[in-house]
Amino acid sequence: EPEVTQTPSHQVTQMGQEVILRCVPISNHLYFYWYRQILGQKVEFLVSFYNNEISEKSEIFDDQFSVERPDGSNFTLKIRSTKLEDSAMYFCASRTRQGAGQPQHFGDGTRLSIL
Amino acid sequence: AQKVTQAQTEISVVEKEDVTLDCVYETRDTTYYLFWYKQPPSGELVFLIRRNSFDEQNEISGRYSWNFQKSTSSFNFTITASQVVDSAVYFCALMGAGGTSYGKLTFGQGTILTVHP
Repeated sequence: EPEVTQTPSHQVTQMGQEVILRCVPISNHLYFYWYRQILGQKVEFLVSFYNNEISEKSEIFDDQFSVERPDGSNFTLKIRSTKLEDSAMYFCASRTRQGAGQPQHFGDGTRLSIL
Repeated sequence: AQKVTQAQTEISVVEKEDVTLDCVYETRDTTYYLFWYKQPPSGELVFLIRRNSFDEQNEISGRYSWNFQKSTSSFNFTITASQVVDSAVYFCALMGAGGTSYGKLTFGQGTILTVHP
C-alpha cells in the first residue's frame, strides 16, 4: 500500500539554524499538509498546499516557515532561525483530489529537537 | 471556528473490557467530516475511520464501532474486547467542507488508552 514518507526521522539542530524537513507524498495525491505535535499535546495544522501554492495556513505558520514542492515528488517544510519552542514532531500528510472529505494519510513524522 | 473536545485524557482498562472514547465537536459548516486516528507508541498517525455529516449510520468494523449523533454533535468510538495492542493515543478530528476550514483537520486533545494484560 502506498504511503507518505518523511525524512529524516529525527533532526537535531542548534537554535538559530535553518532546518528543512522532507516529505514524499503518495504519488497520485494532490493536496499536501504539514502538522505539528508538541510533545504530549494535540496535533496542530500548519499549512495546506495545492496546485503549487499555499491554500490555507494557521497562525503558527508565520514568516519563519515556508513550504515548497521543488519537483514532482518532494514536499518540504523549511524553518528559519529555529527556536526552542519549534521542538516538536512534524507530520506531513497528503490526500487524493477525488471527493471532499477524503482522509489524509500521514507520514511517520520527523522529530525535531532544537538545542 | 472549529473545535473538537475529547474530555477523557486517559483511560485505563484491563484486557477484554469494552471501552468507549468520547468526542464532541463544534462547527458552523453544514457539511463536514469526522475522523478517528490512532497514534501508537511508535508515533505515527494511523487513519481509522471517516464519517460524513449527512450519514448518521453507525459502523462496525471488527472490534471497532462508531456512534455518530448529529443531534448531540458527538462521534464516539468503542473498542470491544480490548487488547494490549490497542494501547495508543486516539485522536478525533474534524474537517469542514466550506470556507477556510476546507481541507484542514482540527484535532482533539487525544485520549491515552492503556490496556493492561
